Amino acid sequence: QKEVEQDPGPLSVPEGAIVSLNCTYSNSAFQYFMWYRQYSRKGPELLMYTYSSGNKEDGRFTAQVDKSSKYISLFIRDSQPSDSATYLCATYTGNQFYFGTGTSLTVIP
Amino acid sequence: SQTIHQWPATLVQPVGSPLSLECTVEGTSNPNLYWYRQAAGRGLQLLFYSVGIGQISSEVPQNLSASRPQDRQFILSSKKLLLSDSGFYLCAWSSIGVTNEKLFFGSGTQLSVL
Repeated sequence: QKEVEQDPGPLSVPEGAIVSLNCTYSNSAFQYFMWYRQYSRKGPELLMYTYSSGNKEDGRFTAQVDKSSKYISLFIRDSQPSDSATYLCATYTGNQFYFGTGTSLTVIP
Repeated sequence: SQTIHQWPATLVQPVGSPLSLECTVEGTSNPNLYWYRQAAGRGLQLLFYSVGIGQISSEVPQNLSASRPQDRQFILSSKKLLLSDSGFYLCAWSSIGVTNEKLFFGSGTQLSVL
């Protein structure tokens, strides 16, 4: 079983839609959770960072962690064409980073 | 603020040729440094990481090697490239201490071995 599982998509939504991106993880010891956004042919950019359970909001983005079900989510409100990218979830423990394979998102104008 | 530089952005090399990719970090001291390879649809594969000068841990023993000659410099090398070395290579750093659990990536190098 992989440490982090992520639906690869692709996901295509109309502009203005609410987007939900999801990952599951296997190790209950994971405490730190991240979401990265990666544009084509570019390095991943740290988008959201959360510690333990709960929600974190930053503008149109909300990161949510449910440790009881080992589920992490990223919500994008009022999605824009500029949000079209690949989103990677990640977690960290003991000097090791674990990444999902990424979900490709396209926001159609 | 901290920045990471990685070059070149694109590289086309013949099979059997050598490789040298360089990465430097500015604005921080004694970072942890990483080399990843990203294949389409397969996620990020950790190749090497380093916690200090001359300290290299290899996660995937292959045709590649890494070196850290200076605190904020990380180099990925190969003596003879294989077709299977093609991919998108990413350098990354994390800071020991408060933000140790955050990883910051460079802009990447698209390597095509022909």
